[in-house]
Amino acid sequence: EPEVTQTPSHQVTQMGQEVILRCVPISNHLYFYWYRQILGQKVEFLVSFYNNEISEKSEIFDDQFSVERPDGSNFTLKIRSTKLEDSAMYFCASSRWVSESTEAFFGQGTRLTVV
Amino acid sequence: QKEVEQNSGPLSVPEGAIASLNCTYSDRGSQSFFWYRQYSGKSPELIMFIYSNGDKEDGRFTAQLNKASQYVSLLIRDSQPSDSATYLCAVNSDGGGADGLTFGKGTHLIIQP
Repeated sequence: EPEVTQTPSHQVTQMGQEVILRCVPISNHLYFYWYRQILGQKVEFLVSFYNNEISEKSEIFDDQFSVERPDGSNFTLKIRSTKLEDSAMYFCASSRWVSESTEAFFGQGTRLTVV
Repeated sequence: QKEVEQNSGPLSVPEGAIASLNCTYSDRGSQSFFWYRQYSGKSPELIMFIYSNGDKEDGRFTAQLNKASQYVSLLIRDSQPSDSATYLCAVNSDGGGADGLTFGKGTHLIIQP
């Protein structure tokens, strides 16, 4: 069964460093997303991406963040100058249009720890 | 500000019984509604989605939507210990792919053997 894959599963970085989280969405999906979940809190939407551009972004997705689809398969989230509060589980998701809705499928996540 | 509210629980249900999970949302323009299951330390797993008023059944799961009351629920029949997890309600405002999902905090469900 097709799935969204994310690498690495766990990333430890020093405060102020840049990190790149990588995702391979399901191959026939057209919409890509990044979400984050701080430990013990709810899943929060960061950004959606369609047709090689950002469709929507939340207030969390400020200038510190950027997304890119560098080739036909990968979808990346870059976090510049990481802060302690960026520590969270980051989920990539992808979806396709189905009837009157879309079903978003999540990858297994990257746990980012900023020290 | 779009809000999705869920009782955090824990909700404890005996094995074999029906588990009922509830969710309310603030944005009256919301179009699509999703239930995800999340085991501890794992990613959300899609169980069902619904976009029309009424009931939608899939195996042991039934989603119910009442847009007038801004209320969506999930029933799990014949509950099994493996159903023990946190259930996340999520809402999409425009029904399309461009909009991200707004999640509730989740209800922690415990199925007692």
